[in-house]
Amino acid sequence: QKEVEQNSGPLSVPEGAIASLNCTYSDRVSQSFFWYRQYSGKSPELIMSIYSNGDKEDGRFTAQLNKASQYVSLLIRDSQPSDSATYLCAVNRVDSSYKLIFGSGTRLLVRP
Amino acid sequence: DTGVSQDPRHKITKRGQNVTFRCDPISEHNRLYWYRQTLGQGPEFLTYFQNEAQLEKSRLLSDRFSAERPKGSFSTLEIQRTEQGDSAMYLCASSLGENQPQHFGDGTRLSIL
Repeated sequence: QKEVEQNSGPLSVPEGAIASLNCTYSDRVSQSFFWYRQYSGKSPELIMSIYSNGDKEDGRFTAQLNKASQYVSLLIRDSQPSDSATYLCAVNRVDSSYKLIFGSGTRLLVRP
Repeated sequence: DTGVSQDPRHKITKRGQNVTFRCDPISEHNRLYWYRQTLGQGPEFLTYFQNEAQLEKSRLLSDRFSAERPKGSFSTLEIQRTEQGDSAMYLCASSLGENQPQHFGDGTRLSIL
């Protein structure tokens, strides 16, 4: 079992719809959770961080964390074609390094 | 905030050659991380520095790889005797402190001929 699992997709949604991206993790003591967006050929760009259970909203993005169920999700409202990218879920390893463990990413396609 | 800077953006070299990459973190960030990413995968941790001290290395980092961060500022990652399997995107990230978000540079794409 991978430490961080994501559906590879592609997830295809029409423009204006809500895109829902999911991620599960295996290490119960993970503390911090991050969503990165990565366009093809580019580096990951941080879009959301979440540290406690519940929802965190930032513009069109909402991150949801449920530590009991070990999942974190990202909702993108009013999806735009420019949101088409790979979304990487990352959790930090709770040791002195706080290194990030990434999933393989979910590819999102927003159809005009 | 000028962001994390990496140089070069692309490197093409022949198998067996040595290569060196540079990373300049965000100025006030004391933690610096190196990751490697291959096609279709998420980044994988290689090593990290807190200030000038290299505190952890992944087992992915064979003895052909070495990293430094003199004076706790920029960092270099050197790969000696490159192999085909070293072809990847090498990403540098920095953070303000423990448990803080990591911000990535544009990466160095390495291609081994």
